[in-house]
Amino acid sequence: DTEVTQTPKHLVMGMTNKKSLKCEQHMGHRAMYWYKQKAKKPPELMFVYSYEKLSINESVPSRFSPECPNSSLLNLHLHALQPEDSALYLCASSRPRGGGGQETQYFGPGTRLLVL
Amino acid sequence: EDQVTQSPEALRLQEGESSSLNCSYTVSGLRGLFWYRQDPGKGPEFLFTLYSAGEEKEKERLKATLTKKESFLHITAPKPEDSATYLCAVQALTNDYKLSFGAGTTVTVRA
Repeated sequence: DTEVTQTPKHLVMGMTNKKSLKCEQHMGHRAMYWYKQKAKKPPELMFVYSYEKLSINESVPSRFSPECPNSSLLNLHLHALQPEDSALYLCASSRPRGGGGQETQYFGPGTRLLVL
Repeated sequence: EDQVTQSPEALRLQEGESSSLNCSYTVSGLRGLFWYRQDPGKGPEFLFTLYSAGEEKEKERLKATLTKKESFLHITAPKPEDSATYLCAVQALTNDYKLSFGAGTTVTVRA
């Protein structure tokens, strides 16, 4: 099983709202990722958690706040977003590769976010 | 800085017309090269991982190959359901987590 699930599938929010995106995997992967993808562009890395600790923050604005409550769950808390934050938000997970680095990243279906 | 260039940007094929997609890369030591397929509005679906030059992997009508400078994704006798954007990504030896993605090749297969 290589399934990563994400909820909700779609989200519409105003600029003053607070919402959260959720990601779950049960593959025993210990690295989890958040990506942002705009139309006709490749995914852009936002955050990486490794063993439930934040390893990488790609200079993402503080209106995006990640959280990793346990090894299977990853959340992305959203607050005071801007219309330009509208995009497809993707979660991914991977496991360590012997000899260093990570094996294949498996992506979830994404959450389509629209900020009005 | 790692660079990944995919060509062509778009490819229109007739059903059954075989073709190849190219992924050229510049990386400070390759840890792995990954191919994904992405349908509109959906997350990337994993296809292949290649680790060393000379490696080949095959799945149904798709075959991926790797050299020291590029990878090819060959589509043999494509069907309309093979229409998608194909993404190539590399991971460098100096990097445990980050993938550098190409811009993708959008393939349209007409019946």
